[in-house]
Amino acid sequence: AQKVTQAQTEISVVEKEDVTLDCVYETRDTTYYLFWYKQPPSGELVFLIRRNSFDEQNEISGRYSWNFQKSTSSFNFTITASQVVDSAVYFCALSEEATDSWGKFQFGAGTQVVVTP
Amino acid sequence: DTAVSQTPKYLVTQMGNDKSIKCEQNLGHDTMYWYKQDSKKFLKIMFSYNNKELIINETVPNRFSPKSPDKAHLNLHINSLELGDSAVYFCASSRNPTRQYGYTFGSGTRLTVV
Repeated sequence: AQKVTQAQTEISVVEKEDVTLDCVYETRDTTYYLFWYKQPPSGELVFLIRRNSFDEQNEISGRYSWNFQKSTSSFNFTITASQVVDSAVYFCALSEEATDSWGKFQFGAGTQVVVTP
Repeated sequence: DTAVSQTPKYLVTQMGNDKSIKCEQNLGHDTMYWYKQDSKKFLKIMFSYNNKELIINETVPNRFSPKSPDKAHLNLHINSLELGDSAVYFCASSRNPTRQYGYTFGSGTRLTVV
């Protein structure tokens, strides 16, 4: 069963628009970690953020912000005032403490963001 | 300095050949991984080594064999390559525990089997 669902396959926006990427996860663990990674057209995978299950504070980093809601098992990612350089595939991932001793993450299928000028 | 480096970046080879992908990290991490990304961008773990010991071995054909000569290196050898092996292979490393720190990925090796 898919533990991390990124329902949006592709999102297209015009530069300066905001874009929100949804991530819904499924776990029975009380301790778990959520991640977002970015894969630009050049292909590398870049770490963006880590959040543990006990820290529900939202986070902002420049134009990026993350909304973690345990009640809905969601960890959504918003890019404000998007730029062409934000065009990439974005992956959400889950790591569960009880079932994963060695970092076997469950990745979502990814959301392709296309930002046009 | 590149933190996790993979070579080669591109690999085109014929069916039936044997090939290797090398990975090295200079971060001092104890744990290294191989992931496969298919044509639909789906990422799936293949193997993990912690300090040269195999700790994760997913359902991967035994034509794939990882080797870790030391904790800074994790190589992937593939025998009798098949068309379905075409994918991007990512090496990654992590501080322990990985679930807290996340991966640092290499830039990937695009393998094309013709």
